[in-house]
Amino acid sequence: AQTVTQSQPEMSVQEAETVTLSCTYDTSENNYYLFWYKQPPSRQMILVIRQEAYKQQNATENRFSVNFQKAAKSFSLKISDSQLGDTAMYFCAFDLYGGATNKLIFGTGTLLAVQP
Amino acid sequence: NAGVTQTPKFQVLKTGQSMTLQCAQDMNHEYMSWYRQDPGMGLRLIHYSVGAGITDQGEVPNGYNVSRSTTEDFPLRLLSAAPSQTSVYFCASSWASGRAVVQFFGPGTRLTVL
Repeated sequence: AQTVTQSQPEMSVQEAETVTLSCTYDTSENNYYLFWYKQPPSRQMILVIRQEAYKQQNATENRFSVNFQKAAKSFSLKISDSQLGDTAMYFCAFDLYGGATNKLIFGTGTLLAVQP
Repeated sequence: NAGVTQTPKFQVLKTGQSMTLQCAQDMNHEYMSWYRQDPGMGLRLIHYSVGAGITDQGEVPNGYNVSRSTTEDFPLRLLSAAPSQTSVYFCASSWASGRAVVQFFGPGTRLTVL
């Protein structure tokens, strides 16, 4: 069975600075997908970034980038130039099928507070 | 497109009552799922469907039933509500073509069981 672990329940960062959220996972599969979702106070789940395990290149989306270390089973999210709107709960998630079948396994989340 | 809609947004039940949480999507997505979100536990998969007429259990299915008679709708039924089912419930739908995946989550239903 796959598991996802987020060991940082809460983090804080100053506006305009960079912050890294950690995620580790466990699986015996070779092909899989990893995700970071953002959940602001509105509760809406928003996909931030998606990484395919067979791709060695780290995914990036504007100010968001990941550090994917397949051998170490680590998948961290870096947020550059933090903005007040980045304040949210962030979930790391795992899926064998790219999210297509909606059978995601989520971590417990990291609550990020961006301070002015 | 309205995306994924969930009704109601909030609900309070008494122990033993039954109810149905509604989920609908107008994007012709094959795949739909229900998750529950509890404090400190992230989202956990309750049931999922890979198409009309096909459903299967997720990680935490006990106490819940689902059916998928149409592509658009995927209702979640609580047969006899228990306080342990107090949670926020999310419905999600998705579509895939090759490696392209489109996925949406609904806005959630906050359920309290007294």
